[in-house]
Amino acid sequence: DAKTTQPTSMDCAEGRAANLPCNHSTISGNEYVYWYRQIHSQGPQYIIHGLKNNETNEMASLIITEDRKSSTLILPHATLRDTAVYYCIVRAPYGQNFVFGPGTRLSVLP
Amino acid sequence: DTGVSQDPRHKITKRGQNVTFRCDPISEHNRLYWYRQTLGQGPEFLTYFQNEAQLEKSRLLSDRFSAERPKGSFSTLEIQRTEQGDSAMYLCASSLYRGRNEKLFFGSGTQLSVL
Repeated sequence: DAKTTQPTSMDCAEGRAANLPCNHSTISGNEYVYWYRQIHSQGPQYIIHGLKNNETNEMASLIITEDRKSSTLILPHATLRDTAVYYCIVRAPYGQNFVFGPGTRLSVLP
Repeated sequence: DTGVSQDPRHKITKRGQNVTFRCDPISEHNRLYWYRQTLGQGPEFLTYFQNEAQLEKSRLLSDRFSAERPKGSFSTLEIQRTEQGDSAMYLCASSLYRGRNEKLFFGSGTQLSVL
C-alpha cells in the first residue's frame, strides 16, 4: 500500500504557481520522497526527489517539512502542458520497488 | 539518448490467447521493472530484475504471467490464457541502480485489450 495521501484533484491558473501537497506521516528516517507525473497516455516521468532538505531542479521545487511528515511540490509557473496526474512516493534507498498511489490530478486552466 | 522502448504500443487479443510484450531499457541500466495500470489508478508493481536476476514478484503476478530478462538487457512479459481482467496498460521502467538516488525512467507502455 502507498504510504502517502494526496488530494484527488486540484486546479491551477496558467502562469501561477501550482502547490501540490503530500502527507507521509509514517515516513521513516531513511526514506526519500519522490515525485513523478503522468501525462495522459504516457508513462510516468520523474520530477524530483529529496530526503530532508528542500530541493530544486529545472522542473520543480520540493519543500519537505522539518518533521518530514509532509511535503509540497511546487511548479513555479504552471503551463497547460503541466496538466497531469502527480504521484508522491516514499521509498527507502534500498527499497525493492516504487509504490504508486492514485495521485493528484492537476488541471492547469487557461 | 534513447529512452525506454516498449513494443507493441497496442495489443488486442481474444480471451484465452497468449500475448508477449517486449521492453528495451535505457542502455547500461541494470534494473528493469514491470508495472500494470488500469484506468484511474496508479501503476501497480508486478516484478523487477537486477541484471538478469528476477528479484521480486508481486502477488498480482499470477502463474499465468512470466517475465524474463535473459541477458540482462531487454525483457519480455508473457501472459498465458488471457482473461478480460488482464486488460490494462503494461508499463516498463529502467534505472541505473547504485543504491541511493534511484530514478525510474518509464516507457510509453503497451495497452492490452482482451475481448
